[in-house]
Amino acid sequence: DGGITQSPKYLFRKEGQNVTLSCEQNLNHDAMYWYRQDPGQGLRLIYYSQIVNDFQKGDIAEGYSVSREKKESFPLTVTSAQKNPTAFYLCASRGTYEQYFGPGTRLTVT
Amino acid sequence: AQSVTQLDSHVSVSEGTPVLLRCNYSSSYSPSLFWYVQHPNKGLQLLLKYTSAATLVKGINGFEAEFKKSETSFHLTKPSAHMSDAAEYFCVVSASNRDDKIIFGKGTRLHILP
Repeated sequence: DGGITQSPKYLFRKEGQNVTLSCEQNLNHDAMYWYRQDPGQGLRLIYYSQIVNDFQKGDIAEGYSVSREKKESFPLTVTSAQKNPTAFYLCASRGTYEQYFGPGTRLTVT
Repeated sequence: AQSVTQLDSHVSVSEGTPVLLRCNYSSSYSPSLFWYVQHPNKGLQLLLKYTSAATLVKGINGFEAEFKKSETSFHLTKPSAHMSDAAEYFCVVSASNRDDKIIFGKGTRLHILP
């Protein structure tokens, strides 16, 4: 089954801890993305990668970091520097035109 | 510059009646346009896309949209709403081959009344 997987579905962390969200795709897509979704704000781009070993900051990259060591994988680390990390995080990859989304990870930081 | 505006944050329709979700866009490039649906705590699923071919685009689950360049609109319609259509819908505009130019609307929550 082709698609994008994100794990875990729910994640709970204490304030001050770094946390890494997993994103894997088997669609053979070059481009991958991380978005943050907050109620009433749509999706905001955190980072994107157009090719292995290269990535670019999006609109809200502060407090986040990524790596792209393999085509299939694009993990996102939420660092302690992110002021309001509690949110729903969506990973996507892009085919010729459209994006394909994973099921999301809901992160709660207390 | 690119932008997308979804004109209604909430739309309520009765089951069996038509659905209209409105989307206006602006783009300096020749745009591609998309509608996605999101059910609670799920990822986004593509409903349909416009990529400079036919201006009337048919998608999944009976949805369709018409690209109107003169009105800069890409409204989503469905002739008869079903309870399972209750979800959030996102209109998206992108410029060809520009990964940093994929712009999401803020979403329209569709409520279906029994």
